[in-house]
Formats: sequence, structure tokens, C-alpha cells
Amino acid sequence: SAVISQKPSRDICQRGTSLTIQCQVDSQVTMMFWYRQQPGQSLTLIATANQGSEATYESGFVIDKFPISRPNLTFSTLTVSNMSPEDSSIYLCSVGSRGTTDTQYFGPGTRLTVL
Amino acid sequence: DAKTTQPTSMDCAEGRAANLPCNHSTISGNEYVYWYRQIHSQGPQYIIHGLKNNETNEMASLIITEDRKSSTLILPHATLRDTAVYYCIVRPENQGGKLIFGQGTELSVKP
Repeated sequence: SAVISQKPSRDICQRGTSLTIQCQVDSQVTMMFWYRQQPGQSLTLIATANQGSEATYESGFVIDKFPISRPNLTFSTLTVSNMSPEDSSIYLCSVGSRGTTDTQYFGPGTRLTVL
Repeated sequence: DAKTTQPTSMDCAEGRAANLPCNHSTISGNEYVYWYRQIHSQGPQYIIHGLKNNETNEMASLIITEDRKSSTLILPHATLRDTAVYYCIVRPENQGGKLIFGQGTELSVKP
């Protein structure tokens, strides 16, 4: 399975600021995804990070609020822009390959608190 | 995507088998059943997946009914470290597809 790291592991931010979260994988992967987990809730997919093209966003999520980059097959960033307390969540990246099992593996998450 | 229904919570005694049910009555022919778990404050961990045959690995067994409308994840000898939220997800294989998480089952393993 892939080894995935995220930076930062946690942060406390002020309202109106932006935070960029990094996701690094130890091997090349086809698919990278970003999820949000609000307090006490399940995971919700934000977007699919596409290498070399714009990310594909799920309903309710927009690029202006959550810009995503994916410059290569091992790295992606998610920015949470113009933050409000409602953005306080755990943000997780996951990776997968178009193999026979097509299993996704998750990073440890970034715990964000917005004051 | 097909939806799944799981009990909100379950208890299990340490050392006993934990049987976690999942209903997926609208599953399509090409959709696999995946199980993940999330231990508190960690990212979800892949457990097992299957199409129609029963599957077993070092972590668990997956039993899928013949009509594929339900399945059961079995942890044969539950330990305290198996306390987690368990998610049953159905999705097509080999499409690099997204995972749609439901609310899962919160399993508490008690001494």
C-alpha cells in the first residue's frame, strides 16, 4: 500500500485567511482525492485532483473556495480559502490506482480549526 | 451509486467475533462491496472488498449473500484496537471512482 503524508497535521487559523494543505505519496498514483470530515460526521468528497488538468469538484464545492493543484503523480495541494469557522474540519487526501483492486488509501488527515 | 444501510452502533466482547451487517439492496451487477474503518483521529483504513464470492484476508472475512443484497464483515477475534467506525461502501471497480461514505457502524470492543 502507498505511504501518504500530509502537512500540516493540524492548524489553528483566523477567519478570513487561507491555508494550503499538502499531500505527498511515496509512489506514483493515478488518482488523488480530497475529502472533508466535519466534526462528528462522515467523510465527504470535495474533488478529484487530476494531474495536468483542473480538478473535478463535487456538488457543493467550488474552485474559488477550494483550489487544488496536482503538479505531478506524487503530490497535490488543497487550499481552503477565506476561511470561516464552518470550515473547521479534518481534511484528508486519498490515492488510488487503476489496478485490479482499485483500492484507495488515505492520508492521516489535517485537523483545521478556524477561529 | 448504490446506497448502504448499517446499524449506527454495535458492541462486542474482546476475543469474540464481531459481525457487522450491511444492506445494499439496490447494488448493481458491476458494483463491489468495500469495507473501510476509521479509528479515532486517523484516516480511513482499507479492510477488504468483494464482488460475489466470500473473501478473507489477514484482517477480516467478507460474507456476501447469494442475491448480493447484503453482506457481513467478520472480525474473527476482536481486540480493543478494533474499536472504530466501520464503513460499508459499494462502487464499480476499475473506474478509479470516488468513495461515497455513509455514516457507518461505530463498533465498541469491550474488555
